[in-house]
Amino acid sequence: DAGVIQSPRHEVTEMGQEVTLRCKPISGHNSLFWYRQTMMRGLELLIYFNNNVPIDDSGMPEDRFSAKMPNASFSTLKIQPSEPRDSAVYFCASSGTAASGEETQYFGPGTRLLVL
Amino acid sequence: AQSVTQLGSHVSVSEGALVLLRCNYSSSVPPYLFWYVQYPNQGLQLLLKYTSAATLVKGINGFEAEFKKSETSFHLTKPSAHMSDAAEYFCAVSAQGGKLIFGQGTELSVKP
Repeated sequence: DAGVIQSPRHEVTEMGQEVTLRCKPISGHNSLFWYRQTMMRGLELLIYFNNNVPIDDSGMPEDRFSAKMPNASFSTLKIQPSEPRDSAVYFCASSGTAASGEETQYFGPGTRLLVL
Repeated sequence: AQSVTQLGSHVSVSEGALVLLRCNYSSSVPPYLFWYVQYPNQGLQLLLKYTSAATLVKGINGFEAEFKKSETSFHLTKPSAHMSDAAEYFCAVSAQGGKLIFGQGTELSVKP
C-alpha cells in the first residue's frame, strides 16, 4: 500500500492567495483527519471525516479554512485568503474507522506551507 | 475531557543508555493511548498503543510502554538508546469519535 498521499509537499505563496492542500487516504479507510503542526501550538486537529461526512470541525481556525471530502479517496483543505500565520505543516491521516477510538491513524508526509 | 501532558520538551541521553519519556493523561473514560514518533521532515509513525488488552505494551524498534491507571501514566521506555532513535515523540489519547489529543511532544537527542 502506498500509504497516505499528500500534495504538494511544499507550498510557498503570498498573503491573500488561495491555497489548496490535497490528501488521498489509504484505500479502505473510512476516517480522515486534517492536522496542523506549529512550534507554538503543537499538533492540532482541524477537522475529521467519517465516511466522507464532516464529523467535527471545531478545530478549524476560522472561516478562511474549509475542507471537503467528495469521495472516499480524496480530500482537500483550502485556505482563502491565506495569511502568514497560516504557515505550518499540515498533515492528513486516515484510519479504518474513528468510532472505536482504538484504531491507528496513519499519517501522510505532510505539506509544509509558507505564506509570505 | 481528555488531555495529555508530556514532561520534558527535550530529553538527551547517551548511546546505550536507558530512554524514558514521560506521559500523563487525563480521561473521564477508560483511555486508548498511543505513542507516535516523528523523524525530521516526516509524518508521524505509530510506535505502540494501549487498548486495554495488556498494561505492558511492546512496540517497534525496541520501545515499550506501561499503562498505570493509578498514576494516570503511560511512560515510554527503551533499555538502550541508538543514534537512530533521535526524533520527536508524541503521546496521544483517543477522545470522543476517535480523534487524537496529542501532547506537546518530547525531542529526544542521543549523544555518541
